Amino acid sequence: EIVLTQSPGTLSLSPGERATLSCRASQSVSSSYLAWYQQKPGQAPRLLIYGASSRATGIPDRFSGSGSGTDFTLTISRLEPEDFAVYYCQQYGSSPRITFGQGTRLEIK
Amino acid sequence: QVQLVQSGAEVKKPGASVKVSCKASGYTFTSYYMHWVRQAPGQGLEWMGIINPSGGSTSYAQKFQGRVTMTRDTSTSTVYMELSSLRSEDTAVYYCASSSAPPPPFPPRVWGQGTTVTVSS
Repeated sequence: EIVLTQSPGTLSLSPGERATLSCRASQSVSSSYLAWYQQKPGQAPRLLIYGASSRATGIPDRFSGSGSGTDFTLTISRLEPEDFAVYYCQQYGSSPRITFGQGTRLEIK
Repeated sequence: QVQLVQSGAEVKKPGASVKVSCKASGYTFTSYYMHWVRQAPGQGLEWMGIINPSGGSTSYAQKFQGRVTMTRDTSTSTVYMELSSLRSEDTAVYYCASSSAPPPPFPPRVWGQGTTVTVSS
């Protein structure tokens, strides 16, 4: 089973700043089948990025994903107030099984 | 629009079973796999398993093997997740989430609203 480790655990930034979240896999993720989700309190997760770098429908272009193999990054270019949430990476390359990282909490500084 | 609507909150005693439903609408039910993911209070997301509504085949996370059963009813476009031998650690919000059938693989995009299951004596 592929284990995903996200860092940092908590990231404190101000609106307008750039956020960089990391996700490292214990082994190579097949064909970059890596996704990112955003979750706000009391809500279901929302798909942001799939295939490591493709934005899901309706996701603003300030969100971008990059990486391959075992190292992946989610970047939010300029933080908006609504971006403060918990972010999870997920691998789906060993389909149908999927695994999640433990999450990064993005909080307002 | 594509929508997943889950059944309401449940309170169960330790050792009991719970069955959560997830009704799909707005798409061809048999063309999308359904995952079940849970989230304990203050914790992260945990994948439990998946069902292919087309043939009913399933794949479960090893942690839940023997305790979880996922089924579907194509006549009502509903999938079910039953978890048995409940313990306090099973207290969580349970989500269903759909993904397009491979190939190629695709992550779950549409999620249900979640069902809170509380296990308490």
